[in-house]
Amino acid sequence: GAVVSQHPSWVICKSGTSVKIECRSLDFQATTMFWYRQFPKQSLMLMATSNEGSKATYEQGVEKDKFLINHASLTLSTLTVTSAHPEDSSFYICSASRIRDRGTDEQYFGPGTRLTVT
Amino acid sequence: AQSVAQPEDQVNVAEGNPLTVKCTYSVSGNPYLFWYVQYPNRGLQFLLKYITGDNLVKGSYGFEAEFNKSQTSFHLKKPSALVSDSALYFCAVRDEGFQKLVFGTGTRLLVSP
Repeated sequence: GAVVSQHPSWVICKSGTSVKIECRSLDFQATTMFWYRQFPKQSLMLMATSNEGSKATYEQGVEKDKFLINHASLTLSTLTVTSAHPEDSSFYICSASRIRDRGTDEQYFGPGTRLTVT
Repeated sequence: AQSVAQPEDQVNVAEGNPLTVKCTYSVSGNPYLFWYVQYPNRGLQFLLKYITGDNLVKGSYGFEAEFNKSQTSFHLKKPSALVSDSALYFCAVRDEGFQKLVFGTGTRLLVSP
């Protein structure tokens, strides 16, 4: 149990276009979903925390108008990279925590999405 | 503020030997500590966590970690390494009552045959 999927697994887009990445909890309801960004050979950087039905909370330095997050249901969150530029190329990973035992439950991570902007 | 330090960029060990991947942390309250493993171009897989209770925590794939409050450490260990254990390992901490996980910089484990 506790499987998180991401779609697409990789995407190449042209500079100036927008890209949507989906994160789904397949077999559980997620109170909260998290979006991370990982640069090559670096750690995960939390971009934003997303609670179902409310606005996402963005970390300092993350542009909320550029990285649009929607958490419309307890099993789906989307990240849209708007007007993508080459510097947005990265590995984006989502995670979800379960509705029960929120205080102590671990986050379950998706497999990641490799975004390349040309 | 929460922080995690993984002092080693890479750990090399021969197959069959014990391995240790180090992690120290800093939180203001009670720590919730986690270890994750990442294979190339993949997301993170949960290995184990410490919330409360026994200081020695056993997790997936034969890994274990020891919580040491006085040294603020949570080192990952395995008695006998496998080549398939070669991957990137992340330690993470969460302050009690908060959801945000803070990750260390990661340690690459290389197990040679």
